[in-house]
Amino acid sequence: SQQGEEDPQALSIQEGENATMNCSYKTSINNLQWYRQNSGRGLVHLILIRSNEREKHSGRLRVTLDTSKKSSSLLITASRAADTASYFCATDENYKLSFGAGTTVTVRA
Amino acid sequence: DAGVIQSPRHEVTEMGQEVTLRCKPISGHNSLFWYRQTMMRGLELLIYFNNNVPIDDSGMPEDRFSAKMPNASFSTLKIQPSEPRDSAVYFCASKYTGSNQPQHFGDGTRLSIL
Repeated sequence: SQQGEEDPQALSIQEGENATMNCSYKTSINNLQWYRQNSGRGLVHLILIRSNEREKHSGRLRVTLDTSKKSSSLLITASRAADTASYFCATDENYKLSFGAGTTVTVRA
Repeated sequence: DAGVIQSPRHEVTEMGQEVTLRCKPISGHNSLFWYRQTMMRGLELLIYFNNNVPIDDSGMPEDRFSAKMPNASFSTLKIQPSEPRDSAVYFCASKYTGSNQPQHFGDGTRLSIL
């Protein structure tokens, strides 16, 4: 069953703008992970934030985690056409990842 | 480095036929997962192996589905007999066992049952 729920479901932005998407979940987690999926491809791991961390950066990506609100956000700065993809949050409960439905991001040139 | 390799990439077959999907995990990874992705249900975990042993198969939908991992470098997911509702993209993923390790996904097998 899906635990994470992403918001919004879809996002369309102009190249160079920032994209922000949110994820809410229900139960305690070991960590929360964000993945990207390009059309017709598998999921690619972007970033992992542990339950005792509040913010993490990787290149143009910034992830926050608020365990009291059971929510996370992914920010992509200075978006590029190549960032067009679906983005999924996944909560890690021991070995098992539970994925949300994803946010589809379209970056217009 | 080679990633997770799945075959075939596409499979079209008629209902009632046996379907076998194959996966080669990343060398050194000792956890392997099979997922199914559909528009309606999103990504669902079907089965999880650790050190070649099935640990959790609670996501396997029916007895028509079976999975094996005969060695550390190969796994199969079999559907027999197949039905149109099995049409989906099936992903294999592997990782190092332990907390805070990401999963690495193959590019999936797009299965269409006519």
